Amino acid sequence: EVQLVESGGGLVQPGGSLRLSCAASGFTFSSYSMNWVRQAPGKGLEWVSYISSSSSTIYYADSVKGRFTISRDNAKNSLYLQMNSLRDEDTAVYYCARVPDTAHIDYWGQGTLVTVSS
Amino acid sequence: EIVMTQSPATLSVSPGERATLSCRASQSVSSNLAWYQQKPGQAPRLLIYGASTRATGIPARFSGSGSGTEFTLTISSLQSEDFAVYYCQQYNNWPPTWTFGQGTKVEIK
Repeated sequence: EVQLVESGGGLVQPGGSLRLSCAASGFTFSSYSMNWVRQAPGKGLEWVSYISSSSSTIYYADSVKGRFTISRDNAKNSLYLQMNSLRDEDTAVYYCARVPDTAHIDYWGQGTLVTVSS
Repeated sequence: EIVMTQSPATLSVSPGERATLSCRASQSVSSNLAWYQQKPGQAPRLLIYGASTRATGIPARFSGSGSGTEFTLTISSLQSEDFAVYYCQQYNNWPPTWTFGQGTKVEIK
């Protein structure tokens, strides 16, 4: 069974940093690209970042470019999102998601809540 | 930037009735279109990808159609567990982005 478990969320002040992690199991993690997708409270879904299976290709949404860094450790079956210079508008549930063919997402984690507030 | 527009924002349907949800892209996305279902407090679940292919385990009452800029998700006979928010999503090669529609809430009439 495919499982994606996010961790690392919490309350942080504007301008602060946070590192999210996603532990993957039930599939060959090193064979799949991954996305981070977020959802602000009561709002819709927003793609944040993409990383290919070998980390050779990385993309970011304009809203986070230069502030967030995606990475992965295939030996540890883990995905990461380093978030710096956090803003109020970054408050959201952050989902780790598997991307089977660069076109859609087939599995999602349960999400971790990031709250940016003073 | 490709914008995805879903309609209606809210759809009130009685159990057993048919529901038709629309998604329009501001420019052609070919068949790079997926549909997701999200219930309160839960992560989204993949229903349809490639515009018309049902994901594993998705009941046959869910069907997708369309290509280019106009897409439709049809639920042939609504069950109680189908009341949820539905999102369409496109993938664009360049600039590489995954864009979601704003969602359609299917509620009990």
